[in-house]
Amino acid sequence: EIVLTQSPGTLSLSPGERATLSCRASQSISSSSLGWYQQRPGQAPRLLIYGGSNRAAAVPDRFSGSGSGTDFSLTITRLDPEDFAVYYCQQYGASPYNFGQGTRLEI
Amino acid sequence: EALLVESGGGLVQPGGSLRLSCVASGFGISTFDMNWVRQAPGKGLEWISHISPNSGVMSYADSVKGRFTISRDNAKNSLYLQMNNLRDEDTALYYCVRRFDHWGQGAQVTVSS
Repeated sequence: EIVLTQSPGTLSLSPGERATLSCRASQSISSSSLGWYQQRPGQAPRLLIYGGSNRAAAVPDRFSGSGSGTDFSLTITRLDPEDFAVYYCQQYGASPYNFGQGTRLEI
Repeated sequence: EALLVESGGGLVQPGGSLRLSCVASGFGISTFDMNWVRQAPGKGLEWISHISPNSGVMSYADSVKGRFTISRDNAKNSLYLQMNNLRDEDTALYYCVRRFDHWGQGAQVTVSS
């Protein structure tokens, strides 16, 4: 079973700043099987990044994903007020398709 | 527009059963892997089950294995989750998810005496 550990647990930043969120896997995974999701309060999660670095439909280009092996990251440049939410990484290459515990991005 | 709508949630006593349904619109589910993901109150996301397009492959999280059964009816464009022997810790919002790119709004399941 692949365990994903996200850091930091909470990230406090201001609009206009840059955010870097980390996701570390307990064993090497293919970047093609790594996704990132955003969840705003009271809403369902939304796919942001699939295949490690591909933006999903309608996702602004200030969101980018990178990484390989066991270390992956989500970068948000020029934070917008609507970006303050919880972010999850997930691996979907091998069952169980575990999620990380989440990073809360707060103002 | 792809839309997933869950139903069948509710309040049930420990040891009881519920069957969740998910109806898709705007696309046909027959070519897609489908999943159920849940979220306990104030907690993170937990993947619980997957089913392949032709129902040939099904998988479960250890936390629900032997108690929950995933199924689908491609002709009805629907996904199901039969939940038996429910426990307090199964209390959560249950999401129907197409692959992992489209999510429903969730069905609330509360297990309590």
